[in-house]
Amino acid sequence: KAGVTQTPRYLIKTRGQQVTLSCSPISGHRSVSWYQQTPGQGLQFLFEYFSETQRNKGNFPGRFSGRQFSNSRSEMNVSTLELGDSALYLCASSFRGPNTGELFFGEGSRLTVL
Amino acid sequence: LAKTTQPISMDSYEGQEVNITCSHNNIATNDYITWYQQFPSQGPRFIIQGYKTKVTNEVASLFIPADRKSSTLSLPRVSLSDTAVYYCLVGPGNTPLVFGKGTRLSVIA
Repeated sequence: KAGVTQTPRYLIKTRGQQVTLSCSPISGHRSVSWYQQTPGQGLQFLFEYFSETQRNKGNFPGRFSGRQFSNSRSEMNVSTLELGDSALYLCASSFRGPNTGELFFGEGSRLTVL
Repeated sequence: LAKTTQPISMDSYEGQEVNITCSHNNIATNDYITWYQQFPSQGPRFIIQGYKTKVTNEVASLFIPADRKSSTLSLPRVSLSDTAVYYCLVGPGNTPLVFGKGTRLSVIA
């Protein structure tokens, strides 16, 4: 069974640019969550999608957005990048929801903003 | 969501049993307790989840007292490869996980 796949694994952008990250969940999983991890703030929840609907949202500015497609694949977008957006962005999938059982994480997309 | 408190770091020698305790005094009736392990530059990995009493799987045991205000993750006979950050999370089913700072476990040869 293939795991959670995130692309790209590494990317470098400059301030003001925008970035799109992709996540392919485990087959059959309908819930996809996104997290940002930085050394200072730790793991912070961005948003969760379930069957194409945003079900939960964390405390991040509107520059951070996401969506989920009918095949459960998800993308997140960050516009007008700031230096502080440099982080490891993690995607996780589960069958029913984040706290209902195992949440499977991908290896992450490491974003560096210069 | 219930707030959790766990030690910032712990050291252990190889072969020892390690117990990491997490405090969650305001846990709600429908909250589950879940533990994750994270290695550097990787996503967290699910270890174990429980609601009450004791849960055991092939890698760990989770002890939850009757009042559910704390929980203890027990790792039997740790090895160097168990060096990682361990997170205790508490919450109801469909809510997002809230990760705290976790416990940094260092296993020494």
